[in-house]
Amino acid sequence: DSGVTQTPKHLITATGQRVTLRCSPRSGDLSVYWYQQSLDQGLQFLIQYYNGEERAKGNILERFSAQQFPDLHSELNLSSLELGDSALYFCASSVADRADSPLHFGNGTRLTVT
Amino acid sequence: AQKVTQAQTEISVVEKEDVTLDCVYETRDTTYYLFWYKQPPSGELVFLIRRNSFDEQNEISGRYSWNFQKSTSSFNFTITASQVVDSAVYFCALSEAFGGGFKTIFGAGTRLFVKA
Repeated sequence: DSGVTQTPKHLITATGQRVTLRCSPRSGDLSVYWYQQSLDQGLQFLIQYYNGEERAKGNILERFSAQQFPDLHSELNLSSLELGDSALYFCASSVADRADSPLHFGNGTRLTVT
Repeated sequence: AQKVTQAQTEISVVEKEDVTLDCVYETRDTTYYLFWYKQPPSGELVFLIRRNSFDEQNEISGRYSWNFQKSTSSFNFTITASQVVDSAVYFCALSEAFGGGFKTIFGAGTRLFVKA
């Protein structure tokens, strides 16, 4: 058990809808990262937060947004959903905002858009 | 630009065989970090090892060993005497500064099947 908690585990929704994925990092970790894993794109970095501030942005669509709250949990909001957004979304955390910090992943949220 | 290539999509071995997973990376930075992660069938990714760009000393940890060669931009991972529980997808990853923070990019993964 990595200590990173993601909810919900599964989400099924229709195109055009909006969903929120939630992540609680490991105790003591200040950095949170979001990744999307799909069969055709592999693991894609979306965004990083450190202690409430956005630090790095990857291939995150404009329809997607995220934030990290004062209690350090994070939410990833996906709107105007398309079939192609179906994927496994991982949250990861690390203790520091440093490139040498290993990432500790949650079990992921599997999103299915129908 | 950063890139991590794992040319082997799938490898199948019989239990007790040794197996090496290849990883080649590209980066323009002089300071970077390399990682291996394991994704078992249960789905979560688990950190295995980290190497920095200045440390080419190879490491052995139990049945696992890693070979980092900066000259060929490779960071290969070997499992000795493989076991069925080693069956998983293994990801090589590269982490370096990006924007105001940093990002870790992953290779496409190598799916390892270990048959009894």
